[in-house]
Amino acid sequence: GESVGLHLPTLSVQEGDNSIINCAYSNSASDYFIWYKQESGKGPQFIIDIRSNMDKRQGQRVTVLLNKTVKHLSLQIAATQPGDSAVYFCAENRGTSGTYKYIFGTGTRLKVLA
Amino acid sequence: ETGVTQTPRHLVMGMTNKKSLKCEQHLGHNAMYWYKQSAKKPLELMFVYNFKEQTENNSVPSRFSPECPNSSHLFLHLHTLQPEDSALYLCASSPQTRERYTDTQYFGPGTRLTVL
Repeated sequence: GESVGLHLPTLSVQEGDNSIINCAYSNSASDYFIWYKQESGKGPQFIIDIRSNMDKRQGQRVTVLLNKTVKHLSLQIAATQPGDSAVYFCAENRGTSGTYKYIFGTGTRLKVLA
Repeated sequence: ETGVTQTPRHLVMGMTNKKSLKCEQHLGHNAMYWYKQSAKKPLELMFVYNFKEQTENNSVPSRFSPECPNSSHLFLHLHTLQPEDSALYLCASSPQTRERYTDTQYFGPGTRLTVL
């Protein structure tokens, strides 16, 4: 069945290193994707988004890459900091005709090691 | 977290109790959502309201009853819940305007619900 999933449930990185979190999707018609960060005890926080007519988008220390050929989405965090420790998950828009219905992945826990 | 607020932050209730969760958004958005987040499971969409009208009920049991009196407020009324309903309940809002190419959802901090 169609799904949005993550390759690794937990990712541990050294402080200062770059982090890459991956997400696979299977609906080729999905046109919009969002990455969220969720810290313990808090709601999901918007990080960055990308539309399907783009293959790369950059924010502050974060970059999202979209490979529509293999239906793969990744979030790159530069110079990872302790405050980046959280669960990250992607969301895929399955809505049609300009509507929005998001399917969320389970999430990857990012642990930043001092 | 001042954009979308939720109260209470924590709630413990028995199976025979009736309680309500409240969500308020201060972003001028037109759509509001209820999600359920259980451990090790993806976010599950429960209800969607667009311009105060319910546009989606994702096969949610009737013991959960939503209410949207205006575009800024959303309630989730709870009655005769089961222990398996224990979870984090998240509210979100989004602009939902046809002029935008995207419709990002912004989440509140959630209500941690425990059903005994």
